[in-house]
Amino acid sequence: DVKVTQSSRYLVKRTGEKVFLECVQDMDHENMFWYRQDPGLGLRLIYFSYDVKMKEKGDIPEGYSVSREKKERFSLILESASTNQTSMYLCASTPGQGYEQYFGPGTRLTVT
Amino acid sequence: GQNIDQPTEMTATEGAIVQINCTYQTSGFNGLFWYQQHAGEAPTFLSYNVLDGLEEKGRFSSFLSRSKGYSYLLLKELQMKDSASYLCAVVKAAGNKLTFGGGTRVLVKP
Repeated sequence: DVKVTQSSRYLVKRTGEKVFLECVQDMDHENMFWYRQDPGLGLRLIYFSYDVKMKEKGDIPEGYSVSREKKERFSLILESASTNQTSMYLCASTPGQGYEQYFGPGTRLTVT
Repeated sequence: GQNIDQPTEMTATEGAIVQINCTYQTSGFNGLFWYQQHAGEAPTFLSYNVLDGLEEKGRFSSFLSRSKGYSYLLLKELQMKDSASYLCAVVKAAGNKLTFGGGTRVLVKP
């Protein structure tokens, strides 16, 4: 079974802190994604990566950056957390086009 | 841009059938996914349609009409465990990016 893990299920941070969310997949997938999920807005794509050291902006990249130094790991970085970044963050991976995306369990981030 | 619309909430009775509609307007199209998401859990894959027609998988079926920009997910013989949110997501013509609708919360009552 494909496994996508995320470093924390729940996280509480203060405004202005730098926040790292880690995602690891164990199936050698090329493609990895970061989404946030908010009530009424569904899942929105923040950043994605098709290969190591490669990244592309999604629909809402402002306030975020990413890092992919190894194939299995995709990190989401909040340079200076703000209260409007309080959300559920979901990581996903897929082997390629036409295949389903496999999601991690999510990290519920609260910024106070 | 892409607009993907699905109803916010639906209620149905155990044993009944429910149809969740999804309409989309996209600048490119390379398939449509349906995912199920229970409260507090990750979305899990249900179906993928890239050609017109009906795909049946047990109690769940998914239909696609590309010319109409329309899909539906049909849940038959509803069970209490089917209470969840159902997410429609469209793949653009290039790449693996998914654009999601807002999700439909289905509540199954006894």
